[in-house]
Amino acid sequence: GNSVTQMEGPVTLSEEAFLTINCTYTATGYPSLFWYVQYPGEGLQLLLKATKADDKGSNKGFEATYRKETTSFHLEKGSVQVSDSAVYFCALFISRGSYIPTFGRGTSLIVHP
Amino acid sequence: DAMVIQNPRYQVTQFGKPVTLSCSQTLNHNVMYWYQQKSSQAPKLLFHYYDKDFNNEADTPDNFQSRRPNTSFCFLDIRSPGLGDAAMYLCATSREAGNTEAFFGQGTRLTVV
Repeated sequence: GNSVTQMEGPVTLSEEAFLTINCTYTATGYPSLFWYVQYPGEGLQLLLKATKADDKGSNKGFEATYRKETTSFHLEKGSVQVSDSAVYFCALFISRGSYIPTFGRGTSLIVHP
Repeated sequence: DAMVIQNPRYQVTQFGKPVTLSCSQTLNHNVMYWYQQKSSQAPKLLFHYYDKDFNNEADTPDNFQSRRPNTSFCFLDIRSPGLGDAAMYLCATSREAGNTEAFFGQGTRLTVV
């Protein structure tokens, strides 16, 4: 079946540090890949996406590259801020008639001043 | 403006007392999803609608039902809530085709007492 594996958290960083959150996937077919962010008590918001191999998604200083050869979609940011503290979910979308999102378990990021 | 709206944000219900959560959308999307999210876990898909076609996940308990009276609205009914059903319930929508994203509401936090 389809699945997404994320590194366990929490990830704790100081402000302006470099961030990497690892995500790997297994899927039959050709999924689209997404990163969602969830702030406390809120729903999920799309952060970035990539729809085919070698695509790079980027938004708000975050980047991730769709690597088909390693089945990975790692999230990176060069300099994190306190306001980036949230839970980050990696997800894949693949067609089962309609597109069904499958989520990883999420990685909590805590950024200290 | 919010495009996927869930009501209420917080719901407290008694053990065994039926409860209904609602979701509305202004996006005119064909697909609507209901997810259950427990603390520190990935959102778990309960079911989804593709237009009026209902698709139940194999492991969704019979205690959970859903209704979609029109494109804009979708309801989650929990017939006899147990303590284990306490969770955040997330509604999401997406277009019917293509490598599209899912748009999420802010969620309803359900407490069972």
